[in-house]
Amino acid sequence: NAGVTQTPKFQVLKTGQSMTLQCAQDMNHEYMSWYRQDPGMGLRLIHYSVGAGITDQGEVPNGYNVSRSTTEDFPLRLLSAAPSQTSVYFCASSSTTSGTMNTQYFGPGTRLTVL
Amino acid sequence: SQQGEEDPQALSIQEGENATMNCSYKTSINNLQWYRQNSGRGLVHLILIRSNEREKHSGRLRVTLDTSKKSSSLLITASRAADTASYFCATGEGGGFKTIFGAGTRLFVKA
Repeated sequence: NAGVTQTPKFQVLKTGQSMTLQCAQDMNHEYMSWYRQDPGMGLRLIHYSVGAGITDQGEVPNGYNVSRSTTEDFPLRLLSAAPSQTSVYFCASSSTTSGTMNTQYFGPGTRLTVL
Repeated sequence: SQQGEEDPQALSIQEGENATMNCSYKTSINNLQWYRQNSGRGLVHLILIRSNEREKHSGRLRVTLDTSKKSSSLLITASRAADTASYFCATGEGGGFKTIFGAGTRLFVKA
């Protein structure tokens, strides 16, 4: 199993540009999520999904869109990039048990710089 | 808002010593998870402890959970230089799927 994969690893954008960060998992996990991590800080939840067709907002959703058309993929779209979105982005997935999330498996991250 | 808050923010110890990190949270939880992150890398899961458990072990790691105090601790025994990393706790807010991470404890183990 590849686990959780993310592409690209690095990206530089200009203010106002849009782009999509890709995330895929091959563990048939129901739960997938996107986090951002700013220097010296913990992870903050952007959006999450508990299954295909179901998404919800996390702690810092503004400026980001998600969709979940398949169990495997959970792309994150930046609509109009701003310097404040410069960060490292992590995708994670987890199985669920009786409505509870289990261990989360993380991708390697995408380092995004917005100029 | 910070659901999980770690204490201390940074910890420097000698190889062979024990390291203890604490985490506090605000709402009810179904489980609490501890993760390790080496510099610039993704997070690696260490231990998940459920709300009906009080203590859990995995190798040199020991996690305790006190739901009455809304706190957890991670103990690393006989630390090694390779344990140098940041350690985070995470919980599902209100027992749900909205995961909140603390700011982490940065552990430095001197050889």
